[in-house]
Amino acid sequence: NAGVTQTPKFQVLKTGQSMTLQCAQDMNHNSMYWYRQDPGMGLRLIYYSASEGTTDKGEVPNGYNVSRLNKREFSLRLESAAPSQTSVYFCASKTGLAVNTQYFGPGTRLTVL
Amino acid sequence: SQQGEEDPQALSIQEGENATMNCSYKTSINNLQWYRQNSGRGLVHLILIRSNEREKHSGRLRVTLDTSKKSSSLLITASRAADTASYFCATDSTSGTYKYIFGTGTRLKVLA
Repeated sequence: NAGVTQTPKFQVLKTGQSMTLQCAQDMNHNSMYWYRQDPGMGLRLIYYSASEGTTDKGEVPNGYNVSRLNKREFSLRLESAAPSQTSVYFCASKTGLAVNTQYFGPGTRLTVL
Repeated sequence: SQQGEEDPQALSIQEGENATMNCSYKTSINNLQWYRQNSGRGLVHLILIRSNEREKHSGRLRVTLDTSKKSSSLLITASRAADTASYFCATDSTSGTYKYIFGTGTRLKVLA
């Protein structure tokens, strides 16, 4: 049981480049989330997917797109990276019921030059 | 803006002492959770308290919730060097969405 996995672990991009962050969970969870964490800050929600086939914007969705590929996988795409998107990105999942915990991946550290 | 705000931002104590950190939030909630983050890692769930609960224990952790003041506290008793981490509160809302809002965190350092 790997839990929540994220790839890549590290990435350096130039301004304007695009990339996709991958996330997968093997816990049969319905809901999946993408957060960003900036230095000294808490996590801010970018997008979430309450269940397979649905996605919704969080607090800071601008500059990002997501795809809930299937129940296991939820990807985050940066179409044209900007230095302001330099951050650590975390994926999380939970069963989807209203009251339960989120399980987090190890994070992807992204630097945009 | 953040739903949860932790206080203090940073805390340094000696091993064996108790550590208390607080979280304030703005809107009505269904539940509040506390997470720990070790340096460079993802968050790990510690404890959840529902809005109709006032206190909850888990091992050396004690969480209180005061919905009238919109605040919660996390107490770690008999702290250990391994407790060194950042601690975040996370709140949902009563609007029925599936998302949580995280606070800015308290950085705890336990000195051996």
